[in-house]
Amino acid sequence: NAGVTQTPKFRILKIGQSMTLQCTQDMNHNYMYWYRQDPGMGLKLIYYSVGAGITDKGEVPNGYNVSRSTTEDFPLRLELAAPSQTSVYFCASRGGVTYEQYFGPGTRLTVT
Amino acid sequence: GENVEQHPSTLSVQEGDSAVIKCTYSDSASNYFPWYKQELGKRPQLIIDIRSNVGEKKDQRIAVTLNKTAKHFSLHITETQPEDSAVYFCAANSPWEHGNKLVFGAGTILRVKS
Repeated sequence: NAGVTQTPKFRILKIGQSMTLQCTQDMNHNYMYWYRQDPGMGLKLIYYSVGAGITDKGEVPNGYNVSRSTTEDFPLRLELAAPSQTSVYFCASRGGVTYEQYFGPGTRLTVT
Repeated sequence: GENVEQHPSTLSVQEGDSAVIKCTYSDSASNYFPWYKQELGKRPQLIIDIRSNVGEKKDQRIAVTLNKTAKHFSLHITETQPEDSAVYFCAANSPWEHGNKLVFGAGTILRVKS
């Protein structure tokens, strides 16, 4: 049981490039979330999903897109990367019975 | 929507002393209040949580208290140790919103001096 896994661990992008951050969980959780954490700051919700095929915007969705074709996977797509998207990105999941969210190890993204 | 404020932003204590971090929330419908610990370069890890039907919960050296009337909750760490040094985040849920999202406070940097 690996929990929540994220790839890559680190990535450097040039302005205007695109990339997909991968997130997978093996706990059969319906709820999945993407957060960003800027240096010295708290966690801001980007997008979330309550089940396969259902996604919705969080607090800071601009510049990002998501999809949820399976229960296990919740990729985050960055189009036209900007320096303001330099951050650490965390994926999280939770089951339907408890409220506890389980976090992945994070992806550190730098846009230059 | 829910708003969570957390104080203080930094806290320095001597090893063995107690540490208290406080959070206030705005949505009276919130019913779940977790605390996460994040060590440098690591993921947030849940250390304790409390539901709105109890006023206090304890787990060894850590405890959380909840005052629903005043809409605030606090983390108490007793007999602090150097390994308690980390960033601590409180959060509150938005139960009426689709996805039962968590809203996080800005975090408290706790430094335990030995």
